[in-house]
Amino acid sequence: EAQVTQNPRYLITVTGKKLTVTCSQNMNHEYMSWYRQDPGLGLRQIYYSMNVEVTDKGDVPEGYKVSRKEKRNFPLILESPSPNQTSLYFCASGKNYGYTFGSGTRLTVV
Amino acid sequence: KQEVTQIPAALSVPEGENLVLNCSFTDSAIYNLQWFRQDPGKGLTSLLLIQSSQREQTSGRLNASLDKSSGRSTLYIAASQPGDSATYLCAVIGTSYGKLTFGQGTILTVHP
Repeated sequence: EAQVTQNPRYLITVTGKKLTVTCSQNMNHEYMSWYRQDPGLGLRQIYYSMNVEVTDKGDVPEGYKVSRKEKRNFPLILESPSPNQTSLYFCASGKNYGYTFGSGTRLTVV
Repeated sequence: KQEVTQIPAALSVPEGENLVLNCSFTDSAIYNLQWFRQDPGKGLTSLLLIQSSQREQTSGRLNASLDKSSGRSTLYIAASQPGDSATYLCAVIGTSYGKLTFGQGTILTVHP
């Protein structure tokens, strides 16, 4: 089954403790992207990657890092999480032919 | 900068009604347009993808149209059911590196 898999689904952490949210796709897509969703602000792009070793900032990249060492994986890294990064995060892959989204990661930073 | 607006923000209808959700975008230089459904706290499920060269796309009770020149898309849901209750999101895929820009969504409630 074609899918985008994110882990974990839920995460509660403390301010400053580094964390990684993993994302993997099995559709051989070149393009992958991370979004965060907040009430009243909608979905906003954090980072995107057009291919292996090619990444760029989206609209709200501050406080986040990404890497793309393999085509199927695109992890999101929060080096020093802060409470304003509490949000629902989505990974997506695809591009002009349409996007497939993961099930989301609900992150709470206390 | 592309901006996407969805109207109405919320809609409550009785079961069986046909309904229309609207989406408008400011920059007509888009590659494609995609409609999604999101249940509370869940992920996004793709409903329909309309390529910029197409005028409409159909899947079951859903029909989406696209008028690129006027910057509008419409999602038509026929014979609505309580299971259709969800947030419907419109997203345009831009010609610049395929960026996806979302509207704020329409919250649909279909009551029995």
